[in-house]
Amino acid sequence: GAGVSQSPSNKVTEKGKDVELRCDPISGHTALYWYRQRLGQGLEFLIYFQGNSAPDKSGLPSDRFSAERTGESVSTLTIQRTQQEDSAVYLCASSLGRTGDYGYTFGSGTRLTVV
Amino acid sequence: GNSVTQMEGPVTLSEEAFLTINCTYTATGYPSLFWYVQYPGEGLQLLLKATKADDKGSNKGFEATYRKETTSFHLEKGSVQVSDSAVYFCALRNTGNQFYFGTGTSLTVIP
Repeated sequence: GAGVSQSPSNKVTEKGKDVELRCDPISGHTALYWYRQRLGQGLEFLIYFQGNSAPDKSGLPSDRFSAERTGESVSTLTIQRTQQEDSAVYLCASSLGRTGDYGYTFGSGTRLTVV
Repeated sequence: GNSVTQMEGPVTLSEEAFLTINCTYTATGYPSLFWYVQYPGEGLQLLLKATKADDKGSNKGFEATYRKETTSFHLEKGSVQVSDSAVYFCALRNTGNQFYFGTGTSLTVIP
């Protein structure tokens, strides 16, 4: 597609429920990132995918968070047993190359609210 | 470690005013530096970048110079327009896979 597409754009869920967030990167972009932005804070790195290499999961805050990506296509971020501190905007970005010096294209994000 | 500190907003300017948004960083080695912009209702977009000391990134009238001696990458524009109203994020990428972002600075330009 023309840009990075994320769905849903907004999600309200009850504490303890599982949620799944989706990211469609730009076709041909090998690198894909997930970031989280809490209110009033900077972007927090979560996970990085590069082609078929093992993902860099060093930013995932707990084992309730997981993400998958098949090849160079869609990625899903799953949060199990959501907590109120998970409320944030979750941003996905993709890039043409490994280094990111091409620049990243971000989606508009999914605003998650845990009540 | 790696981190980015940028000036807190919000910043409100009149059209055609001069803009400076300060950004300083902490990093080992030689990071690449970026400014991203987020217009209302849209995703972050790369505005400009600089990959080594003394490089100047520029785009859409915005400029930023990579100053290693002061560990800074301040964003400037000589004459802002209403359409520049957005949130601006300074970021660095060092070795490894992740970017480190500042908290963002909201800019509102009034006619």
